Amino acid sequence: ETGVTQTPRHLVMGMTNKKSLKCEQHLGHNAMYWYKQSAKKPLELMFVYNFKEQTENNSVPSRFSPECPNSSHLFLHLHTLQPEDSALYLCASSQVTSGAYNEQFFGPGTRLTVL
Amino acid sequence: AQTVTQSQPEMSVQEAETVTLSCTYDTSESNYYLFWYKQPPSRQMILVIRQEAYKQQNATENRFSVNFQKAAKSFSLKISDSQLGDTAMYFCAFMKTNSGYALNFGKGTSLLVTP
Repeated sequence: ETGVTQTPRHLVMGMTNKKSLKCEQHLGHNAMYWYKQSAKKPLELMFVYNFKEQTENNSVPSRFSPECPNSSHLFLHLHTLQPEDSALYLCASSQVTSGAYNEQFFGPGTRLTVL
Repeated sequence: AQTVTQSQPEMSVQEAETVTLSCTYDTSESNYYLFWYKQPPSRQMILVIRQEAYKQQNATENRFSVNFQKAAKSFSLKISDSQLGDTAMYFCAFMKTNSGYALNFGKGTSLLVTP
């Protein structure tokens, strides 16, 4: 595997289900991100992890719970979701160096549908 | 907060022709980066080109070039000799240099290249 991978690619769940999205980066990066991409809206940054520590949480509802066990893996745990949470969830990674530009590399995304 | 505006939801261009996608942004920062990302129908987001705000020279990458007008806060993307593989969503994005790592995206422009 190369780059940033995400599983599953598609997920359908009911509002009472609990599921998890997984992201893995094979680039040796130290930062990972979750974005939400909804139709007709800009990509929204949800969470940022730098060196496994969460550095940003953009007012995301608590029904979304991130986990970063190491610098290569990032999870998004989902529970009690709403239909409006249906979207494409993108993971990205980058190598963060203080004061320097860092390109973010994206995974293919997980298409989530909440019934 | 930074906002990124892409005023063209959809555009089309014939193969081998040139097309320009527009982007404007609003910020009080003096140092930042601007990006154009491409998201083909397969959904993997890839970086097309980037521009550092402190550089006056417009960035170019093969058939892709930008027209960066800092005073006007404008950052358009020109695609020359369009190819069928250029069909994709194109997102303009902004990143503060001292913010950490958050990318602010526009809503995107859907570009269709026709034979």
